[in-house]
Amino acid sequence: DIQLTQSPSFLSASVGERVTITCRASQGISSYLAWYQQKPGKAPELLIYGTSTLQSGVPSRFSGSGSGTEFTLTISSLQPEDFATYYCQQFKSYPLTFGGGTKVEIK
Amino acid sequence: EVQLVESGGNLVQPGGSLRLSCAVSGFTFSSYWMSWVRQAPGKGLEWVANIKEDGSEKYYVDSVKGRFSISRDNAKDSLYLQMNSLTAEDTAVYYCARYIRRRDSSKDYYYVDLWGRGTLVTVSS
Repeated sequence: DIQLTQSPSFLSASVGERVTITCRASQGISSYLAWYQQKPGKAPELLIYGTSTLQSGVPSRFSGSGSGTEFTLTISSLQPEDFATYYCQQFKSYPLTFGGGTKVEIK
Repeated sequence: EVQLVESGGNLVQPGGSLRLSCAVSGFTFSSYWMSWVRQAPGKGLEWVANIKEDGSEKYYVDSVKGRFSISRDNAKDSLYLQMNSLTAEDTAVYYCARYIRRRDSSKDYYYVDLWGRGTLVTVSS
């Protein structure tokens, strides 16, 4: 199974800050990676797929990059509505797996 | 409006069974793969199962193989998850989700783009 390790698992940041979350895969997954945002008590929402393609309607302050085994999600200027937990997911092979999550909280 | 609405979650005793349903509207259900994803209380997301558009291919996470069965009824625009031999480790919110597999400019894309609100399954005596 492909393991996804997200770091950090928790981060505290201020509005306006640039934030970067890393997702490392235990083996190469090409570009078959997506990122989701989840707020408390809500279902996840798709942010980025194919490593770097922004889902329709997602603000352009979100971006994704990487390939192979290391991937990043960047929020260029953190907004109040961005405080949430973020997950990566790989689609290279079954079982599909998620990273453990990164909780972004207000500093 | 696109909607995925799960139902069937409940409190069940260890060793018991439960069948979850997901009613879909707003898109052509029979044209999409579908997924079940779960989230234990206070924990992260875990993919559970996938099913192809026509039901001919099914995939499961190891921890549910032989106990859970994913199925669909395209005539009723509905997805199901039959869960047997339940244990406390199956306690979670179960989400129904639309799974996208597509090709664009000779590049393949895979992702989950729509989620239901989830239904809570609690396994406890």
